[in-house]
Amino acid sequence: SQELEQSPQSLIVQEGKNLTINCTSSKTLYGLYWYKQKYGEGLIFLMMLQKGGEEKSHEKITAKLDEKKQQSSLHITASQPSHAGIYLCGAHPSGAQKLVFGQGTRLTINP
Amino acid sequence: DTAVSQTPKYLVTQMGNDKSIKCEQNLGHDTMYWYKQDSKKFLKIMFSYNNKELIINETVPNRFSPKSPDKAHLNLHINSLELGDSAVYFCASSQAGPGAEAFFGQGTRLTVV
Repeated sequence: SQELEQSPQSLIVQEGKNLTINCTSSKTLYGLYWYKQKYGEGLIFLMMLQKGGEEKSHEKITAKLDEKKQQSSLHITASQPSHAGIYLCGAHPSGAQKLVFGQGTRLTINP
Repeated sequence: DTAVSQTPKYLVTQMGNDKSIKCEQNLGHDTMYWYKQDSKKFLKIMFSYNNKELIINETVPNRFSPKSPDKAHLNLHINSLELGDSAVYFCASSQAGPGAEAFFGQGTRLTVV
């Protein structure tokens, strides 16, 4: 079965600093999703990557999928308090109508 | 307009009770899901329905019974609740087929005492 490992599991950064969260898959990724979750709320879709080497950006958040399609990184530039939350990477195991998720990365932004 | 809505948002109940969580989506999606997020924030698939038909059941105890009266609704009924059932349950929907973005509800926090 496909497993996703996120690192770090927890991250505390000073406001204004850059940060990176990684997601590594045990198998080739056929679509990698990044979601953000705030406490007491549902998951908010951030980005989806499908092609090896693909990179997408939304405001100050950039996500990349490596050429071998087994690792993705999420980079936040000049972090703000609004970026705080739990970031989850998810992927479809080949041919399956479901998402499997990493264990999440809890991001705290200190003012 | 809420795309995927779950009710209730919070549910506190005693062990042994039977409870239901309702989910509705107004996105016209063919596929709906139930996920469980445990205390360590690990999110795992429980069930997946496509056009009211069960297509995924991830070794969930049979005390959990999903019901899809139509493709816009997927309810979760839980019998004989146990302490270990305490978690946040998320409903989601997507178009059919891998590669489709899943939209999530806000979650139902179930506490069994």
